[in-house]
Amino acid sequence: NAGVTQTPKFQVLKTGQSMTLQCAQDMNHEYMSWYRQDPGMGLRLIHYSVGAGITDQGEVPNGYNVSRSTTEDFPLRLLSAAPSQTSVYFCASRKKGGAYEQYFGPGTRLTVT
Amino acid sequence: GQNIDQPTEMTATEGAIVQINCTYQTSGFNGLFWYQQHAGEAPTFLSYNVLDGLEEKGRFSSFLSRSKGYSYLLLKELQMKDSASYLCGSGGYQKVTFGIGTKLQVIP
Repeated sequence: NAGVTQTPKFQVLKTGQSMTLQCAQDMNHEYMSWYRQDPGMGLRLIHYSVGAGITDQGEVPNGYNVSRSTTEDFPLRLLSAAPSQTSVYFCASRKKGGAYEQYFGPGTRLTVT
Repeated sequence: GQNIDQPTEMTATEGAIVQINCTYQTSGFNGLFWYQQHAGEAPTFLSYNVLDGLEEKGRFSSFLSRSKGYSYLLLKELQMKDSASYLCGSGGYQKVTFGIGTKLQVIP
């Protein structure tokens, strides 16, 4: 099992550009989430999904879109990047229900200039 | 959200014991996670508590009091490799939200 994979590892964007951060898991987990991590702010939930076709907003959803067409994939789209979106992005997955640990991907370090 | 409070930084001596506290809002609460995150790496799972009491896993133990909205992570026989951030996460049924993390520095 590869676990949770994220691509790319690093990305530099100019303000106004768009891009998609990819996340995939091969553990057949129902739940997937996107977090951003900034110094002094901790991990903040952007969007999450409880299954294919179902997504919901977390604490900081503005500026980000998600979709979940398959169980395996949960891409995060930045439609018009802003410097405030400079951060490290982590994707995580876990089995359905409250009692299971989340597995995190290695992260994507994004810089918006 | 699940307002979560934990200290920002702590320092402890190699071989000692350290306790990292975490408080959270009890509404919508399902369970309490602790993760370890070394600098530049992804968080890794340490423990999950859903019932009151202490759970021990080797050098690490985690405690939960649901009525008080309080948890702590206890690290014994500290080693230099324990220098990391420790993230407290409150799990609702569908999502997990985290505190800012406690950066622990272990000194010789």
